[in-house]
This record gives sequence, C-alpha cells and structure tokens, in this order.
Amino acid sequence: DTEVTQTPKHLVMGMTNKKSLKCEQHMGHRAMYWYKQKAKKPPELMFVYSYEKLSINESVPSRFSPECPNSSLLNLHLHALQPEDSALYLCASSQSRAGNYNEQFFGPGTRLTVL
Amino acid sequence: AQSVTQLGSHVSVSEGALVLLRCNYSSSVPPYLFWYVQYPNQGLQLLLKYTSAATLVKGINGFEAEFKKSETSFHLTKPSAHMSDAAEYFCAVSDNYGGSQGNLIFGKGTKLSVKP
Repeated sequence: DTEVTQTPKHLVMGMTNKKSLKCEQHMGHRAMYWYKQKAKKPPELMFVYSYEKLSINESVPSRFSPECPNSSLLNLHLHALQPEDSALYLCASSQSRAGNYNEQFFGPGTRLTVL
Repeated sequence: AQSVTQLGSHVSVSEGALVLLRCNYSSSVPPYLFWYVQYPNQGLQLLLKYTSAATLVKGINGFEAEFKKSETSFHLTKPSAHMSDAAEYFCAVSDNYGGSQGNLIFGKGTKLSVKP
C-alpha cells in the first residue's frame, strides 16, 4: 500500500467551529507532514512529525493544532479559523527525514473553506 | 541556504511536441532533487527523483530529467506531450541542514498547457 489518505475531501466551516482533518498512511513511514497550499502557489510546510514527535512547527498560528496519535495517523485540529485560512491542506509522509529516505508521498488533500 | 528556481510560470506546447520544464537549484552540498506533478484539486505525485545514483533519471509517464552539476540544473523533459500531461509541475530540493533536514524546498511551479 503506497497511499496516503486524507479525510474529509472537502470541508466548509464557520469561524467559530472546531473541526479536524485526518491523514493516514500504512507504508511504515516515520515522518509525517502537514502543508498548506493556496491557489497557484507551492505547498507551504506547517508541521513535521518524526517518530511521532513534533519536530518542526513553522510558526503556525495556535488555531491550528497537530496531533500524531500513532505512527500511521496524523490529525490537524482546527479552531477559530479565519477566512484567509481557506486553502488545500496536504498531508505527506516519508520513510524518515534523513538523506535518501525523505522522498515524500502526498495525500489528495482536504479543500477547506472558512466562511 | 538551498533554493530552487523554476524558469517560466507557464509553458504551452502542442500535443506531440517536446516538453521542457526548467529547474535550477542552489546548494552547497550534493542535493536531493525531485519533480512533482499536481493535477487540479489533487495532491502532489512524485514524477522522479535524483539521489546521486545516476545523472539521467527516468520517471513515470515518460518523463525524465538530467542532473547537470556544472549548470546547477535539473530540467524535466518528455519527448512527446499528451493532453493528459496538462498540470502544475513543481521542482523541489531536499534541505540537508540541521533541524530542517528532510524538508522540501519547492520552486514556484510551472503550469503546463497542452494544445490539441
């Protein structure tokens, strides 16, 4: 299984809502990533988990809260988002973060709209 | 710091014509380089990667790229474009430093259009 899955595919939420994005991989990868992608732009790195520990937080606002319950799952909890947070949220995984093993596999993304 | 520059935000070719998407990198150490493709409203799919094993790298869907250290380039080519190749293409280099090791540094992307 060489697939990264993400749910939901689409999400519409109000600024006072709390929602979660989910990501799952069964490739035995030990590094997982959250990216945010705005239209016509490359993905921007948000968070990196390595061996289930948060290793990078790219100065993301606290209204985004990542969680890695186990080596196969990655969640992104959303609370009090702003309309400018509307974007495609991509999850990725790699065997590790080191050298030749950091080829990243991406999920299909969650299209988030904040009203 | 490592970086990637993709020349041309939009490339248009006719079906059957050669596809050439340009990527130049900046790195003080041997880089790991990647090309990803993104179709509308989808995630990124890896086309190919360079990890120093061979300078000419063959990927999926008939794409290939050649690593040229002297030119610091990793251009993506395909001999004959298909309509299904229309997509956004991203070149990326893997950061090899300290706490950022393994992070991908993306170029701004090149949108490929294929005319019938």
